[in-house]
Amino acid sequence: DAKTTQPPSMDCAEGRAANLPCNHSTISGNEYVYWYRQIHSQGPQYIIHGLKNNETNEMASLIITEDRKSSTLILPHATLRDTAVYYCIVRAVDTRTYKYIFGTGTRLKVLA
Amino acid sequence: DAGVTQSPTHLIKTRGQQVTLRCSPKSGHDTVSWYQQALGQGPQFIFQYYEEEERQRGNFPDRFSGHQFPNYSSELNVNALLLGDSALYLCASSLVERVTYEQYFGPGTRLTVT
Repeated sequence: DAKTTQPPSMDCAEGRAANLPCNHSTISGNEYVYWYRQIHSQGPQYIIHGLKNNETNEMASLIITEDRKSSTLILPHATLRDTAVYYCIVRAVDTRTYKYIFGTGTRLKVLA
Repeated sequence: DAGVTQSPTHLIKTRGQQVTLRCSPKSGHDTVSWYQQALGQGPQFIFQYYEEEERQRGNFPDRFSGHQFPNYSSELNVNALLLGDSALYLCASSLVERVTYEQYFGPGTRLTVT
C-alpha cells in the first residue's frame, strides 16, 4: 500500500500558484519524498525530490515540514499544461527497495 | 539527451496469446523497471532489472517475465494473456550510482487484450 495520502482532486486558476499537499505521517528517516506528474495517457514525469530540506528546480518547489510528516509541491505560476495527475511517493534510498509505490494521486485541473 | 523509449505504442492481442514489449533506457542509465497501470489507477511495480538480472519483483504471476540485454535495453514478456492484462505498460530507467535513484519513465505501451 502507498505510504502517502493526497486529496483526489484540486482546481487552480491559470497564473496562480498551485499548492499540492501530501501526507506521509509514517515516513522513516531514510525515506525521500518524490513527486511525479502524469499528463493524460503519457508516462509519469519526474518533478522533484527531497529528504528534509526545501528544494527548488525549474519546474517546482518542494516544501517538507520540519517533522517530515507532510509536504507541499508548489507550481509557482500554473498553466493549462500543468493539468495532470500528481503523485507523491516516499521511498527508502539505503535499502534494497527499488520500486515506487504509487497511490491514486491528485488530479489537478488548471482553469483558464 | 535521448529519453526512455518504448515500442510498440499500441498493441492488440487475443486472450491466451503471448506479447513482448521493449524498452530502451535513458542515455547513461543502467537500470530498468517495469510498471503496469490499469485505467484510473496508479502504476504498479512489476520488476526491476540491473546487470541483466531481476533484482526485485512486485506481486505479479510468473506469466510476467523479463530480460535485460548488455546494452541495458529490456523486454517484458507476458504469456497466456488474460483480459485483465489490458493496461498501459510503463518502463522506467535509472542510474544505480545515484543514491536517490529517481526513475525516468517512457511513454508506455497500451496493451489491449480481447
